[in-house]
Parts: sequence; structure tokens; C-alpha cells
Amino acid sequence: DVKVTQSSRYLVKRTGEKVFLECVQDMDHENMFWYRQDPGLGLRLIYFSYDVKMKEKGDIPEGYSVSREKKERFSLILESASTNQTSMYLCASSFLGEGYTFGSGTRLTVV
Amino acid sequence: GQNIDQPTEMTATEGAIVQINCTYQTSGFNGLFWYQQHAGEAPTFLSYNVLDGLEEKGRFSSFLSRSKGYSYLLLKELQMKDSASYLCAGPINNAGNMLTFGGGTRLMVKP
Repeated sequence: DVKVTQSSRYLVKRTGEKVFLECVQDMDHENMFWYRQDPGLGLRLIYFSYDVKMKEKGDIPEGYSVSREKKERFSLILESASTNQTSMYLCASSFLGEGYTFGSGTRLTVV
Repeated sequence: GQNIDQPTEMTATEGAIVQINCTYQTSGFNGLFWYQQHAGEAPTFLSYNVLDGLEEKGRFSSFLSRSKGYSYLLLKELQMKDSASYLCAGPINNAGNMLTFGGGTRLMVKP
């Protein structure tokens, strides 16, 4: 089975901190994604990557950046965390044309 | 892009059958996914339809009509553990490797 592992299940950070969310997949998938999920808004795409060092903006990239230095790892960076970035963050990976496999999610609270 | 619409909430009785509908814009579309998400957990893959018709997998079936921009997920012999959100998703780019999600349908199964 494909495993997508997110480094933290719960995280509490202060406003203005730089935050790193890590995601690792073990099935050599080309595509990796970061979504956030908020009540009433559903899943919204922040960034995705289709290859090492390649990235594309999703629907809501403002306030975020990403890094993909190795195929198996896709990091989401909050340069200066704000309270409106409190959310559930979901990482996913896939082969072309196939569905996603999601990580277990990171619930981030910014205080 | 794709707009994907599905009802926000549904309630059904244990042992019954429930149908969750999903409608979408048809332009640039090449398949539709259904995911299940229990509260506080990551979405898990249920089904993928790329051709018209009904695909059955045990108690769960999924139907697609590409010409009508319509899909449904059918759950039979409902169990309490089927209480979850059900997300409809479709590709939004030509490569087919980026999904957009509907807001999800929260299904509550009552005894």
C-alpha cells in the first residue's frame, strides 16, 4: 500500500513564526499536493508538484511556499504564520491519471 | 475549471439505501472520483469512473453520465460506520493529475 506520511498530526505555532509541514511518500509518485480543508469551504489546493523542483500554484497559494528537492518529499512552508492559516492541512500523492492517496493530515493552530 | 456541486448533508437509516448526487461542468473532464472521509481523518479513495455507467464494489456503487455532467454514489445496507463525508472530485487540468473537490456531503446514519 502507498503510504503518505505527514510529520505532525497536531501543531501549535505563534503568529509570525516560520512553519514547515513535511510530507513523504514511499511509492515513487510523480505528483504531490498540498490542500487545506476548512469547514464549509471543502478542500482547497495550495500548491502541487509534478516533478522534483517543479511546482505550480493552486487556488490559494498566498502566504505559502513549497519545496520539492527529492521526489519523495514535498514541504509546505508558511513564511510568517497568521491566525487565518489555522486549518487542517492534507498532503496527497498520485501517479498520472490515478486518484490521490492522502496523508493523515496536520491540524495547525496559529495563536 | 470545474464547479462540482453536491448536497451538504443527508440523513438515512441503518440498513437502508442512500444515493449521493454530484454534478459538474463537463468541459475538460476525463473522470470522476469519490472519496470517503470520517471526521478528523484523511479522505480515502472509494471509486473512479471514467466511462459512463454503473460500477459496483460491494455495498458501494458509483454511476457516471458524462453527457449530463452527473454522477452518484450509491450506498446499500447502510451501517453506522458509513456516517462520514463523501467527496466528489474531478480533474481540472489537461494532464488529469490535479483534482478539484466538491464541498462534500455529510451523511448521518441513524439507528
